[in-house]
Amino acid sequence: DVVMTQSPLTLPVTLGQPASISCRSSESPVYSDGNTHLHWFQQRPGQSPRRLIYKVSNRDSGVPDRFSGSGSGTDFTLKISRVEAEDVGIYYCMQGAHWPFTFGQGTRLEIK
Amino acid sequence: EVQLVESGGGLVQPGGSLRLSCAASGFTFSNYWMHWVRQAPGEGLVWVSRINSDGSTTTYADSVMGRFTISRDNARNTVYLQMNNLRAEDTAVYYCTKGGVDFWGQGTLVTVSS
Repeated sequence: DVVMTQSPLTLPVTLGQPASISCRSSESPVYSDGNTHLHWFQQRPGQSPRRLIYKVSNRDSGVPDRFSGSGSGTDFTLKISRVEAEDVGIYYCMQGAHWPFTFGQGTRLEIK
Repeated sequence: EVQLVESGGGLVQPGGSLRLSCAASGFTFSNYWMHWVRQAPGEGLVWVSRINSDGSTTTYADSVMGRFTISRDNARNTVYLQMNNLRAEDTAVYYCTKGGVDFWGQGTLVTVSS
């Protein structure tokens, strides 16, 4: 299985400050369609996962523009330009190119 | 508005069975793959199974192969997960998600315990 490794696992951030989460995959998440199926999810406490970013850098509808995704090959990054209180939760990267699809361990974002 | 509503979870003894359902609305269900993903208490997300749009192709995680069966009824806009020979390690919230993983249900809790 493709292993997705996130860092850090816990991310304390001051309100208004930037945050960055790294995700490394053991294989490139490029699918046979030529697209890189690397996605980012947010899971707020007690809620279902919500997709934020798809195919590396595309923001989903309704996602604030303070969230951005980047990367290529096997290294990817989710950035939040200015953290707000509602951003508290766990963030997961996920590869959807190779079955079984796999998630990173999750990064818990907390407010300092 | 896309909606996915899971049901069928509950408490079951080891070795028992449950069938989960996920009722979909707000999109053309018969055009999409559907997936089941689970999350054990306090743990991360793990893919369980998927089914293609007409039900002819299914795949499973190794941990559930031979015990779980995914199916769908496109006339009812519903995907199912039949879970047999349940083990304690199957205890989790089970989510269904639409192909493309852009929408998720609220989840249904399965607890396997004596």
